[in-house]
Amino acid sequence: GEDVEQSLFLSVREGDSSVINCTYTDSSSTYLYWYKQEPGAGLQLLTYIFSNMDMKQDQRLTVLLNKKDKHLSLRIADTQTGDSAIYFCAESIGKLIFGQGTELSVKP
Amino acid sequence: SAVISQKPSRDICQRGTSLTIQCQVDSQVTMMFWYRQQPGQSLTLIATANQGSEATYESGFVIDKFPISRPNLTFSTLTVSNMSPEDSSIYLCSVGTDGTNEKLFFGSGTQLSVL
Repeated sequence: GEDVEQSLFLSVREGDSSVINCTYTDSSSTYLYWYKQEPGAGLQLLTYIFSNMDMKQDQRLTVLLNKKDKHLSLRIADTQTGDSAIYFCAESIGKLIFGQGTELSVKP
Repeated sequence: SAVISQKPSRDICQRGTSLTIQCQVDSQVTMMFWYRQQPGQSLTLIATANQGSEATYESGFVIDKFPISRPNLTFSTLTVSNMSPEDSSIYLCSVGTDGTNEKLFFGSGTQLSVL
């Protein structure tokens, strides 16, 4: 079935690391994605990982993929107030299936 | 990447009327899609906009309610017809720039409120 689950809220202090978690159900996913949505804006493609990879690092962002457990995470190092947004996980199974989004709140 | 412009950015409409949303891309793209984001929820694919042929609709969405045009490789419209308050959502255009439906880029969306 098509189902992507995320926790709804995460609150961290500025400078800490944030870890946003996601689980998905379809093992045939080709790519898995992280999108960022700031208030009043569309979705920005942050990063993605091919399904045969375990990890991808891109500056402050680290994506970890555990294919056995169908678990994806996004780690943001040195989180800044500008990182406050809703983060969507999505799996690709011929079309994109999105999670419900995790609202990240960064406190100074 | 692609620069995607959506118009209008927001609108407030009366029940029973229709609204047409425009999506303009700064380069030719093969794949264009329309998504809906209901309040506090995730994104749901409405349809794939096909150039030169009828759009391909997902389960739960029909052409009479959401007619789509795609006259060329840089432009598409989505019409929300005979609106009701349940249609209040953000509608987003997205494009795939590598000829596939992977690595989609999104417009800034149209926030629709139906009274």
